[in-house]
Amino acid sequence: DSGVTQTPKHLITATGQRVTLRCSPRSGDLSVYWYQQSLDQGLQFLIHYYNGEERAKGNILERFSAQQFPDLHSELNLSSLELGDSALYFCASSPTSGGGTDTQYFGPGTRLTVL
Amino acid sequence: GQNIDQPTEMTATEGAIVQINCTYQTSGFNGLFWYQQHAGEAPTFLSYNVLDGLEEKGRFSSFLSRSKGYSYLLLKELQMKDSASYLCAVDQAGTALIFGKGTTLSVSS
Repeated sequence: DSGVTQTPKHLITATGQRVTLRCSPRSGDLSVYWYQQSLDQGLQFLIHYYNGEERAKGNILERFSAQQFPDLHSELNLSSLELGDSALYFCASSPTSGGGTDTQYFGPGTRLTVL
Repeated sequence: GQNIDQPTEMTATEGAIVQINCTYQTSGFNGLFWYQQHAGEAPTFLSYNVLDGLEEKGRFSSFLSRSKGYSYLLLKELQMKDSASYLCAVDQAGTALIFGKGTTLSVSS
């Protein structure tokens, strides 16, 4: 158990809908990262937040957004869902702003299925 | 551009040694991580290399050559529970990790 929690574990929804995925980082960690993992693409970085502020964006679609709250938990919002958004969504946390030996620890993931 | 290459699949037998290679071409490099991921589960941290050379940690070792853009993960005394995907990831710019697609290792008895 990495200490990172994610809810829900599974989510099944229909195309066009909107969902919110939640992540709580390890105690004391200030950074939260979101990744998407699909069968053909591997783990793809979406976005990084450090202490409430956005630090970096990866291949995140405009239909997706995220935020990190004062208590450091983070939410990833996915809207206008398409079949291709079906994937495992992982959250990771690290103690500082990233880089060097700032190891990222991953949560158990949320499996999103869009029908 | 950025590119991280690993073999897609490897097979080995219990008790053997296996080496999983990773080559990378990225616009920046702050270090290289190896993660293990069992099917449907979270990636778990195995090792981190920033300087050239070998880092040993129990049955697992990781090697890095920055000049060659090359790393490998060495697994000794293989066990059935080592059957998993092994992900090579480059810390490109001190923030996000850029992952390879992973190597699926199957260990048989």
